[in-house]
Amino acid sequence: EDKVVQSPLSLVVHEGDTVTLNCSYEVTNFRSLLWYKQEKKAPTFLFMLTSSGIEKKSGRLSSILDKKELFSILNITATQTGDSAVYLCAVNSGGSNYKLTFGKGTLLTVNP
Amino acid sequence: KAGVTQTPRYLIKTRGQQVTLSCSPISGHRSVSWYQQTPGQGLQFLFEYFSETQRNKGNFPGRFSGRQFSNSRSEMNVSTLELGDSALYLCASSLDPDFYEQFFGPGTRLTVL
Repeated sequence: EDKVVQSPLSLVVHEGDTVTLNCSYEVTNFRSLLWYKQEKKAPTFLFMLTSSGIEKKSGRLSSILDKKELFSILNITATQTGDSAVYLCAVNSGGSNYKLTFGKGTLLTVNP
Repeated sequence: KAGVTQTPRYLIKTRGQQVTLSCSPISGHRSVSWYQQTPGQGLQFLFEYFSETQRNKGNFPGRFSGRQFSNSRSEMNVSTLELGDSALYLCASSLDPDFYEQFFGPGTRLTVL
């Protein structure tokens, strides 16, 4: 059975801190790994990673994938209160037939 | 460009009833995926449709079914509702989720009494 595990489950930091969120996976037909941010509504897309070692960056957020060790990290630098959310990692593991397996998420709380 | 729309937004049903939820994707998107979100299990993949074909489905009983129409709009149906079916049901659309991001709708909150 495909499995995606995120750690930590929750994290409390102060504004300005840097955080690293982890995602490990065990799936049979890896296609891509995705990160989403979910506040009190539907998830919003952050990154899609398909190749090892290539960092994707968007503002203060960045992510990298290691397909040999089967994990990804999401970094957020200079955190702001608006970064408070659940960060979800998901793996497209359906081979040629799309199927997304999600981790349970990391709840990030950024205090002023 | 209008986003993904889901109807209804809230629904209350009783055990044993059936329910149909609707999702209208972003114009031009051919893929629609459905997910169930609960506090205990998190987000779980139900199924994905691409050009009216179900390409894959998650580990849900046969009571959960869906379809996609030629205009890419999709419906999911849950028959013989159980208390455990209470959840937020999200749909997401994409040009092709293998290569392009998915955009999620606001969800339908289903409560089964």
